Amino acid sequence: KAGVTQTPRYLIKTRGQQVTLSCSPISGHRSVSWYQQTPGQGLQFLFEYFSETQRNKGNFPGRFSGRQFSNSRSEMNVSTLELGDSALYLCASSLGYPPGTDTQYFGPGTRLTVL
Amino acid sequence: AQRVTQPEKLLSVFKGAPVELKCNYSYSGSPELFWYVQYSRQRLQLLLRHISRESIKGFTADLNKGETSFHLKKPFAQEEDSAMYYCALIAQANQAGTALIFGKGTTLSVSS
Repeated sequence: KAGVTQTPRYLIKTRGQQVTLSCSPISGHRSVSWYQQTPGQGLQFLFEYFSETQRNKGNFPGRFSGRQFSNSRSEMNVSTLELGDSALYLCASSLGYPPGTDTQYFGPGTRLTVL
Repeated sequence: AQRVTQPEKLLSVFKGAPVELKCNYSYSGSPELFWYVQYSRQRLQLLLRHISRESIKGFTADLNKGETSFHLKKPFAQEEDSAMYYCALIAQANQAGTALIFGKGTTLSVSS
């Protein structure tokens, strides 16, 4: 089975711009979660989607949003970029049901640099 | 509040020595706990989860609810065990969704 894929792998943006990151889950997985990884804060949960619905959201401002398509692929969007948004953004997929019981498989991440 | 604490940022041991990576958690319900590992230039991957009670690559972890701990152990470290290790907890959300709460991670360095 192919693993979780994320595109693009690297991205450089300037403050004030917006960015869209993409994640393709493992075939058959219906849940996609997003995490932000920074040296200072470590891995922090952003949100989770299951069957095109946001099922859970972390403590991030409204500039961070996401969506999931009918084929389970997911995108996350960050608007009005700030320097502090520079991070590795990880996507993870899982079967998703029952919630809380299955293993999440991670993608390689998208490295976002905001200048 | 739900929280995972890994008190050591770095643990250095010699090859063949025992390893214990500490993890303490704070959670009001019945926890689902995991250890994830990230080798150099590789993606984050699951090492083990407490409900499966498996031993992966010689590592084991026992959930101690009294001490709210889930320490990762290996009797004899190998150089290929050098990596970043993350302890994580699944937090059940009101909407029946889930989120992994991660500790800050411990870098394990095994030298010969």
